[in-house]
Amino acid sequence: DQQVKQNSPSLSVQEGRISILNCDYTNSMFDYFLWYKKYPAEGPTFLISISSIKDKNEDGRFTVFLNKSAKHLSLHIVPSQPGDSAVYFCAAGIKAAGNKLTFGGGTRVLVKP
Amino acid sequence: GAVVSQHPSRVICKSGTSVKIECRSLDFQATTMFWYRQFPKQSLMLMATSNEGSKATYEQGVEKDKFLINHASLTLSTLTVTSAHPEDSSFYICSARDGPGEKLFFGSGTQLSVL
Repeated sequence: DQQVKQNSPSLSVQEGRISILNCDYTNSMFDYFLWYKKYPAEGPTFLISISSIKDKNEDGRFTVFLNKSAKHLSLHIVPSQPGDSAVYFCAAGIKAAGNKLTFGGGTRVLVKP
Repeated sequence: GAVVSQHPSRVICKSGTSVKIECRSLDFQATTMFWYRQFPKQSLMLMATSNEGSKATYEQGVEKDKFLINHASLTLSTLTVTSAHPEDSSFYICSARDGPGEKLFFGSGTQLSVL
């Protein structure tokens, strides 16, 4: 049972435009969510997170939106840059359950110059 | 952010041999570390939670005798893949949390190839 899903395996966007990555989850117990960026043969690097008590969090070019009723979150990157080309994973956790993270399948983003 | 160092970055071994992967928290102490594995074009799957000074907690379907975890100090956890087989070939990544926050910091990963 995949509790965290990223239904778009890939996304191509022009430099300077907005990248929108989507993530859906099924477990209503998740109370925090994170986005990670990963290059091949490297570990993931943290981008941004959001608590379930919020519906938006912004950090520079990155904004995460959370819709609890729809069990959906999204990551907006604007403006997109060629260096943003990577695989992006959303992850979810339950604070009371030891903070183990469950990851989505990832979305490969290609930003074209 | 906090730094997690993982070594080696790549290892090639013969079937039947054992391989040890080290994970160190460089600038913080980690009572808990997490080991993940990733198959090509798939997500990161949690294998086990490594607890300093006590036994690791394994996820369902992960053989504890196959993947030995030792967390002997607050800055070092090791994963040993025993009697490795080609199906164990994967990308193994460790992670740790600096303090009570939710953010996990990841090592750079180890690509294991078993011939």
